Formats: sequence, C-alpha cells, structure tokens
Amino acid sequence: RKEVEQDPGPFNVPEGATVAFNCTYSNSASQSFFWYRQDCRKEPKLLMSVYSSGNEDGRFTAQLNRASQYISLLIRDSKLSDSATYLCVVTLYNFNKFYFGSGTKLNVKP
Amino acid sequence: EAQVTQNPRYLITVTGKKLTVTCSQNMNHEYMSWYRQDPGLGLRQIYYSMNVEVTDKGDVPEGYKVSRKEKRNFPLILESPSPNQTSLYFCASSQSTRQGLPLYGYTFGSGTRLTVV
Repeated sequence: RKEVEQDPGPFNVPEGATVAFNCTYSNSASQSFFWYRQDCRKEPKLLMSVYSSGNEDGRFTAQLNRASQYISLLIRDSKLSDSATYLCVVTLYNFNKFYFGSGTKLNVKP
Repeated sequence: EAQVTQNPRYLITVTGKKLTVTCSQNMNHEYMSWYRQDPGLGLRQIYYSMNVEVTDKGDVPEGYKVSRKEKRNFPLILESPSPNQTSLYFCASSQSTRQGLPLYGYTFGSGTRLTVV
C-alpha cells in the first residue's frame, strides 16, 4: 500500500469554480503535511503547510483530519493560472522521510 | 537569490557511461535529498543527507551513489547507467532541526531530464 494516495484526476473546472482535492495517508505517525504545486516539466514548489487547526492563504484552504488520516486542499474562485498538478506530502521524522503523493491534475478552463 | 542549482538540465547518455549530476544550494541547509519522478509513480527518494559526511539510502538507491563533502554540494553519481534510470531527477534541500531532520518543506532544483539509451 502506498504511503500517500491521491486521485490523479484530471479535475476540469471552469474559471471561478471552487474545487477540492483530498489526499489520504497510511501511517498514523505522520507528523507534518504540505501541499506542493508542480507545473508541467517544472520543479515542485511549496504551496502551503497544513496545520492541525486548518489554515488559509488567500483563495487556498488546507485542512487536516488525523482521525480519518487525510488532508484536503480547497481552491476558491479558480484562475487559469491555477492549472497545475498538486502534490500532497507527509513526513515521518522518525524515519527522515518525506512521502509524496503522485499528484492531482487540475485544469481550469475559460 | 536563495536557490538549488542542478546541472545539467538535460542529458542523453549511453548505457554504462558514468555520469554525475551536480547539485548546489546557497541557503546553508543541512538536509539535502535526491528524487526521481516517473509517470504514475510520483517522486521517489533516492538518497538523502542530514549533514556533511552523513548520507543514507532512500527508497530507490540501487544504481546510484552520492557524496556530501561540503554542506552546499550533493552530487548524484550513476556509475553504470541503464535505461531504467531514464527519468526526471530533482535535488532538494531543507532547513533542519537540531537532530538533522528536515524541518520545513523542500526547495527543489529545476530538475535534470536524463535519458539512457
């Protein structure tokens, strides 16, 4: 079983839509959580950390549900420039590990 | 500008010809790591280093070597490349805790697209 699983998509949404991605993780000892954005053929870039209480950065909201072992990313008022692949990451400090999901592809259309 | 620099960006080589992909960071990060990215498999860790002269295997270390003689540099060495090592490679670094563990998210290099024929 993979450490981190994501729906690969693609999610095709119109501009202005609200879209949400989920990411499940298998190890209950996971300690830190992140969302990354990756544009085609480019390096992943940190989008936001995910805190237990949930956190918001502009149009982006991240949530953590430890009981059900998933994290989520909500994007409001989608822009064309949001089109990318979104990767979730969980860390296991005891094992010096970052585990990446395979990514969810988002296409925002005019 | 804070960054991770990888070279080369693109490389086509032949089976068995030794090659090195260089990685350098200017953020004084202790923790550095190499990943490969393949369609459907996501990013998989090859090797990581918690500090100078401290390296350890990731999930897919076979066929690769690394060294960490200086804090800023973490080269990836393929002694005898094979076609199954054709992939997109990323170097990444992160600030660490006192125990040498990655504290924050990574900063990635721009990637090296390697083709082994």
